[in-house]
Amino acid sequence: AQSVSQHNHHVILSEAASLELGCNYSYGGTVNLFWYVQYPGQHLQLLLKYFSGDPLVKGIKGFEAEFIKSKFSFNLRKPSVQWSDTAEYFCAVKQGTYKYIFGTGTRLKVLA
Amino acid sequence: AAGVIQSPRHLIKEKRETATLKCYPIPRHDTVYWYQQGPGQDPQFLISFYEKMQSDKGSIPDRFSAQQFSDYHSELNMSSLELGDSALYFCASSNRGHHEAFFGQGTRLTVV
Repeated sequence: AQSVSQHNHHVILSEAASLELGCNYSYGGTVNLFWYVQYPGQHLQLLLKYFSGDPLVKGIKGFEAEFIKSKFSFNLRKPSVQWSDTAEYFCAVKQGTYKYIFGTGTRLKVLA
Repeated sequence: AAGVIQSPRHLIKEKRETATLKCYPIPRHDTVYWYQQGPGQDPQFLISFYEKMQSDKGSIPDRFSAQQFSDYHSELNMSSLELGDSALYFCASSNRGHHEAFFGQGTRLTVV
């Protein structure tokens, strides 16, 4: 079974700082990878996804992620965070056709 | 655009009672997923359905059952509720031909 590891459980940044959240997955074959964001009290929203092709994926709200197959990684980045980016971020991998496996999440707090 | 609809949004039940959570997928989506997210935890996969048949099963307790109906909506039935069942229950839907799942806003179940 696949697993997803997110290394940073809590991150605190000041506005305009750069962000990188780590994500590693366990499966060595074809993977579908996702980053979801969950604002306080809300549902999961898709930030970006990788299925194939260009390993640098651009998502909404200025986020991007890079798929590095050799490192089994799919790290999320944003050059300059805003206070409104305060949320929890989940990396996920699709296992088979019918199951998504989520990482434990990273709580990001951006200080104004 | 239509999203995944879950009802009710909030539910309070006593121990040993039963609860039924409903999920209405995005039109033309044939796959439904159920997730449980405890306080401060990552979403845990419970079960999924494709074309009204169970397609995958995760850590769903025997006290829970679910089904997908002919109109593709799904219901999660929970019996003999325990305090530990208090969580946010997310439903997601996708079109099997696509990899991306869209999440509903969740049902917050509180067992007292």
